[in-house]
Amino acid sequence: DIQMTQSPSSLSASVGDRVTITCRASQYISNYLNWYQQKPGKAPKLLISAASNLQSGVPSRFSGSESGTEFILTISSLQPEDFATYYCQQTYSTPFFGQGTKLEIK
Amino acid sequence: QVQLVESGGGLVKPGGSLRLSCAASGITFGDYFMNWIRQAPGKGLEWVAYISSSGEATFYADSVKGRFTMSRDNAKSSLSLEMNSLRAEDTAVYYCAGGRAADGASDIWGQGTMVTVSS
Repeated sequence: DIQMTQSPSSLSASVGDRVTITCRASQYISNYLNWYQQKPGKAPKLLISAASNLQSGVPSRFSGSESGTEFILTISSLQPEDFATYYCQQTYSTPFFGQGTKLEIK
Repeated sequence: QVQLVESGGGLVKPGGSLRLSCAASGITFGDYFMNWIRQAPGKGLEWVAYISSSGEATFYADSVKGRFTMSRDNAKSSLSLEMNSLRAEDTAVYYCAGGRAADGASDIWGQGTMVTVSS
């Protein structure tokens, strides 16, 4: 199985901050990397597919990038509604989620 | 509107069985591959099973292989997960989720149904 290592596991930030979350694949996955946002008690929501494809309706402050087997989710200017848990997922082979990053208000 | 609604969760004893269902509306269900994804209390997301849009191909996580069976009925826009030999570690919220794109991302999700395995 292709493992995904996501970091950090938690992050404290303030409204207006720029934050990055990283996901590293244990082997080559091309661009088969998706990012989800989950708020407490809710189902996850797809933000970005194929490493950098922003989903319809998702604010442009969210972006995704890749460099080899490292993938980055960037939120350019945090808004109050962005405080949530974020997961990466590889779908190159048997799907596998990263451990999650809980983004909290500083 | 697009909607996936799971049902069938509940409390079951270790070694018992349960059948989860997922009803789709607002979409052409047969266009979507589908997954079951679970989340243990306070934990992260774990992919459980996948079925292709036609139903011809299924894949399972090692943790459930041989115990869980996923199936679909495109005529009824429904998905199911038959769970046997349940263990305490199967306790989780179970989500059905699906997509159409070749990248495998799931862009539609249900609200989840809770399965508790306990004596």
